[in-house]
Amino acid sequence: DGGITQSPKYLFRKEGQNVTLSCEQNLNHDAMYWYRQDPGQGLRLIYYSQIVNDFQKGDIAEGYSVSREKKESFPLTVTSAQKNPTAFYLCASRQGPESPLHFGNGTRLTVT
Amino acid sequence: GNSVTQMEGPVTLSEEAFLTINCTYTATGYPSLFWYVQYPGEGLQLLLKATKADDKGSNKGFEATYRKETTSFHLEKGSVQVSDSAVYFCALSSGSSASKIIFGSGTRLSIRP
Repeated sequence: DGGITQSPKYLFRKEGQNVTLSCEQNLNHDAMYWYRQDPGQGLRLIYYSQIVNDFQKGDIAEGYSVSREKKESFPLTVTSAQKNPTAFYLCASRQGPESPLHFGNGTRLTVT
Repeated sequence: GNSVTQMEGPVTLSEEAFLTINCTYTATGYPSLFWYVQYPGEGLQLLLKATKADDKGSNKGFEATYRKETTSFHLEKGSVQVSDSAVYFCALSSGSSASKIIFGSGTRLSIRP
């Protein structure tokens, strides 16, 4: 079955460390997205990529970085510059502008 | 800019009650509209969608009609079940910003047996 795989499901890091969240899709979708979700809040867009080797900042890109070297992969690095990194991170992909998003099951990051 | 406003939660209903979750939007052009559902600890799943005015999206007993005159896309279900307890998000994708999907803040729904 095609889908989006995010790993790991839970991630714990110490403050000051960079951490990379994995997102892989086998849906052959061109566009991929990273969202952040905080308790009781909606989704906020971090970065998105419409094609390989290209990506754009979303609404809350500060303290995050991404790469898109392969169509199926869109890893997100949470750097030590991100002031409040503890959150639930969701990766998504879609085929085109009117297509719905397909989401992974998320990674819950806790930084202490 | 584009935006989505949905009713504040939480919404608590008894099983078999009628459900409405309001969603209104602001967008240029003719957006595509979506409802997503999120169960605890999971990602979002597409519930239904509509891509043009007067379209009705439906799935699993849920319905929503794209109303351009009122810029609304309210989610309805005639008889809710305990298994419908989740967080529901209204979203849009529009025009030159079609690469960005705008989400509402989500409405938490709890159904009592």
